[in-house]
Amino acid sequence: QVQLVQSGSELRKPGASVKVSCKASGYIFTSYAMHWVRQAPGQGLEWMGWINTNTGNPVYGQGFTGRFVFSLDTSVTTAYLEISSLKADDTAVYYCARHGSGSYYFLDNWGQGTLVTVSS
Amino acid sequence: QSVLTQPPSVSAAPGQKVTISCSGSSSNIGNNYVSWYQHLPETAPKLLIFENNKRPSGIPDRFSGSMSGTSATLGITGVQTGDEADYYCGTWDNNLSAGVFGGGTRLTVL
Repeated sequence: QVQLVQSGSELRKPGASVKVSCKASGYIFTSYAMHWVRQAPGQGLEWMGWINTNTGNPVYGQGFTGRFVFSLDTSVTTAYLEISSLKADDTAVYYCARHGSGSYYFLDNWGQGTLVTVSS
Repeated sequence: QSVLTQPPSVSAAPGQKVTISCSGSSSNIGNNYVSWYQHLPETAPKLLIFENNKRPSGIPDRFSGSMSGTSATLGITGVQTGDEADYYCGTWDNNLSAGVFGGGTRLTVL
């Protein structure tokens, strides 16, 4: 069965960096794009962007350019989200989610989420 | 402000039917399929409906989706206490070239 297992919670100081991993199993990793979604405390889901797992080409949503980097290591079927120059309002749960089968946009499997807390 | 508009909350007694609306525009719902997600506290969001009205395997037929124009609706029949969760609609927005979600609707089972 499809599984997306994310790395554990992280606590960082403002200005630091963090790298969240998303280990995929149960399917052909390079056949499905991977999306990233953020949920800030008390807020709803916010789409961050996606990465083509075949080419490695990332696409970033508005507000997620510059400090946010999507990457892959296909040898270990893992996607990564790295955030640099962390700010307090980056505090959120970050989810990876697999693009659904076919060309239409929907997210059919989600990771369990990684809480990133930015605090001095 | 979310691109898609959902009511903040809905409530229903066990066994009743509830609907959750999701309103958008021609750049998103009007020209793209809608999906719905259930988000229980401390868990991963779960896909309930894709391509407006299709259910993934394992999702009971108590959950249904419909669409008309630039709005979509999630229906839940025979509401159960285990259905208490936040529900989100999602789709693609052609103008933004981005995935978009509604603000979420909290279902309370009375």
